[in-house]
Amino acid sequence: EPEVTQTPSHQVTQMGQEVILRCVPISNHLYFYWYRQILGQKVEFLVSFYNNEISEKSEIFDDQFSVERPDGSNFTLKIRSTKLEDSAMYFCASSETRTGPWGYTFGSGTRLTVV
Amino acid sequence: DQQVKQNSPSLSVQEGRISILNCDYTNSMFDYFLWYKKYPAEGPTFLISISSIKDKNEDGRFTVFLNKSAKHLSLHIVPSQPGDSAVYFCAAYNQGGKLIFGQGTELSVKP
Repeated sequence: EPEVTQTPSHQVTQMGQEVILRCVPISNHLYFYWYRQILGQKVEFLVSFYNNEISEKSEIFDDQFSVERPDGSNFTLKIRSTKLEDSAMYFCASSETRTGPWGYTFGSGTRLTVV
Repeated sequence: DQQVKQNSPSLSVQEGRISILNCDYTNSMFDYFLWYKKYPAEGPTFLISISSIKDKNEDGRFTVFLNKSAKHLSLHIVPSQPGDSAVYFCAAYNQGGKLIFGQGTELSVKP
């Protein structure tokens, strides 16, 4: 079964450093997303991406965050200057259609720890 | 603005019995409702969905019921198995097509 692949599975970084989280969505999917989950809290939407541009972003997704689809397969989330409160699980997801009964397919996540 | 709410953070059920997980929503424009299951250190996995024009959808041991007048949906798992122990999230699409998640309910099925 096709899957969304995320690397690395765990990233530890110093406060103020830049991090790039990588994702390979399912190949025939057109819509791409980043979500995050702070420990014990809900899964929160960060950003959606379609046709090489951001479709929607949350208030969490400020100027420190950016996304890119540098080639036909990768989808990246960059945090320019990490803060302690950025520590969370970050999930990439993709979908074939904008809405529908099958939802999104999520990757297994990257645990980001900012120290 | 919590458009999708799960008011029970946890639920404990005996193996073989029914598990009922509940979810309330505020926006009557949602067109699909979905349930995801999540194990620790893994991403959410799609479980089952229901269109807003239906009131029931069944897939094996999992049934989702939708009560539009009460803006309430529930997921029934019967019979419950220890492998069902996980966090369950209900979700719905907003008008922009983004999935909004509830806070999750941690289900524990005891042998």
